[in-house]
Amino acid sequence: NAGVMQNPRHLVRRRGQEARLRCSPMKGHSHVYWYRQLPEEGLKFMVYLQKENIIDESGMPKERFSAEFPKEGPSILRIQQVVRGDSAAYFCASSPGQGPIEQYFGPGTRLTVT
Amino acid sequence: GENVEQHPSTLSVQEGDSAVIKCTYSDSASNYFPWYKQELGKGPQLIIDIRSNVGEKKDQRIAVTLNKTAKHFSLHITETQPEDSAVYFCAASEGNNRLAFGKGNQVVVIP
Repeated sequence: NAGVMQNPRHLVRRRGQEARLRCSPMKGHSHVYWYRQLPEEGLKFMVYLQKENIIDESGMPKERFSAEFPKEGPSILRIQQVVRGDSAAYFCASSPGQGPIEQYFGPGTRLTVT
Repeated sequence: GENVEQHPSTLSVQEGDSAVIKCTYSDSASNYFPWYKQELGKGPQLIIDIRSNVGEKKDQRIAVTLNKTAKHFSLHITETQPEDSAVYFCAASEGNNRLAFGKGNQVVVIP
């Protein structure tokens, strides 16, 4: 049973470019969460999605960031016009249901903006 | 929102000794408290969790205790081994869907 998969593992973008981060949840999981981790910091919640629905995006910046989880395919976190401050590790987690419940994390995508 | 704090930031222990990491949280409505282990370059790995209706939970060398009144919970690792060296994060549920994380503890097990 494959775990949460994320790609790419490393992504380098120049300022102003777009970054697309992909996440495939564990088999049987339909709930996806995105978190951001800055160096030597804990993880900060960004967004929670179910298939075709954004349930909670209160942790996501209002501009340049968007997320989706289509009926088919992986969840995508999209960052437009990246700036140096977007450099971080972005982790996706999935869970089998709703509510305070186990969240299983992927290996992360390390985004570097030059 | 929920505020989770971890102490100490770094912990060094001799192999075979016990390690204890403490976390405090602010929101009395939080009812789920997981612990994650993160090794360098990897994602957080869920190692144990506890719910607010339980005071203690144990899994082999790892245990977690929860004091709801004082709003703190602790991770206990006994008979530490070099492979226990990692960053450990505590978290508390926030609302129905989110986890609020502490900043992490670096645990170093000295052979």
